[in-house]
Amino acid sequence: GIQVEQSPPDLILQEGANSTLRCNFSDSVNNLQWFHQNPWGQLINLFYIPSGTKQNGRLSATTVATERYSLLYISSSQTTDSGVYFCAVSPTSGGYQKVTFGIGTKLQVIP
Amino acid sequence: EPEVTQTPSHQVTQMGQEVILRCVPISNHLYFYWYRQILGQKVEFLVSFYNNEISEKSEIFDDQFSVERPDGSNFTLKIRSTKLEDSAMYFCASSEWRDGYTFGSGTRLTVV
Repeated sequence: GIQVEQSPPDLILQEGANSTLRCNFSDSVNNLQWFHQNPWGQLINLFYIPSGTKQNGRLSATTVATERYSLLYISSSQTTDSGVYFCAVSPTSGGYQKVTFGIGTKLQVIP
Repeated sequence: EPEVTQTPSHQVTQMGQEVILRCVPISNHLYFYWYRQILGQKVEFLVSFYNNEISEKSEIFDDQFSVERPDGSNFTLKIRSTKLEDSAMYFCASSEWRDGYTFGSGTRLTVV
């Protein structure tokens, strides 16, 4: 099946700092999403971004489908950004109905 | 913004008991899913459901699991005889087609 790798696995930031999270995937995809899992375990959809660039406030994401990676940018980080960020994909060919998650990047923003 | 609703948010059950986790997907979505996340681990696919039948399932989804869409709005996951290792967060999701999935906020199942 498709492989999803996220980096870094852990990240500690000072409040106000910027960061870039990376997601590499092993096959072409028709669905790529970024999620934030908050400390209560809820999965919050950040972006649906199989290709291109999107921005939502302090967050933005870019997917370069031809090179099989996606980046999530967090600017001016806040303590409420803490949690785990997951990249999730479904391949273009076969098994398209299920989404495969990466292991996540655990972000801690300290005041 | 439309939401996927899951109930209960937390359920504690005794080993060997049956549990039913409930979900209300987004009304115009056609594809429904269950995922689970054991504490500290990856979110794992369990099953997808389309047109009133299972369209794909993982090796985790064995005979003790079943899904049902009993009416036009609910989507349920039943675990027949719970084991300690079934303790996890269970997420329901829905989608229109091969596009963005919307996840519910999850049900934390604790088997004691």
